[in-house]
Amino acid sequence: NAGVTQTPKFRILKIGQSMTLQCTQDMNHNYMYWYRQDPGMGLKLIYYSVGAGITDKGEVPNGYNVSRSTTEDFPLRLELAAPSQTSVYFCASSLDRENSPLHFGNGTRLTVT
Amino acid sequence: AQSVTQLGSHVSVSEGALVLLRCNYSSSVPPYLFWYVQYPNQGLQLLLKYTTGATLVKGINGFEAEFKKSETSFHLTKPSAHMSDAAEYFCAVTLNTGNQFYFGTGTSLTVIP
Repeated sequence: NAGVTQTPKFRILKIGQSMTLQCTQDMNHNYMYWYRQDPGMGLKLIYYSVGAGITDKGEVPNGYNVSRSTTEDFPLRLELAAPSQTSVYFCASSLDRENSPLHFGNGTRLTVT
Repeated sequence: AQSVTQLGSHVSVSEGALVLLRCNYSSSVPPYLFWYVQYPNQGLQLLLKYTTGATLVKGINGFEAEFKKSETSFHLTKPSAHMSDAAEYFCAVTLNTGNQFYFGTGTSLTVIP
């Protein structure tokens, strides 16, 4: 019963490097989300997707890109890492948009130095 | 615009005492309301949710919350705190017209033995 799986768990990047945070879910959920969590700030939505081939920006999309080629996978791409992107990143999925709760992965802790 | 306010970023209670975590929301349309719990180094897990119907909602681990429309509140309570309740708690709101969850900034609960 995997649910939402995120890799890697931890990563350290140098300024200007790029990386992809992986997220996959096995619940056949249409909706997937990327959040970042910073101390005292709660969770901020970066990007979301309502189905394969469809993505849209959230509150804080600058510096990130996403793609959704399959229902299961929703990778998050950082092209030019900056210290402001040091955060904990959570991927989540839900069955539909109305009252279905979010199912979260265990997060990726990213440090940019 | 939607927003969620959690009063008190840190709450301490004695083991066996009442737990009360406060959440107020602003929404132009009837919201769906959620409480999530986050244990260290983990993703968020659903505690309970309110969509429609009974305004007193019971969740896992003995928690409950009451939706009060007149007060725009959705406070979380538990009659008797347990050491295992120590965690970060997030209130969230979503609407039946949108795809986004809006999270509060979280309340860290400490349980004193």
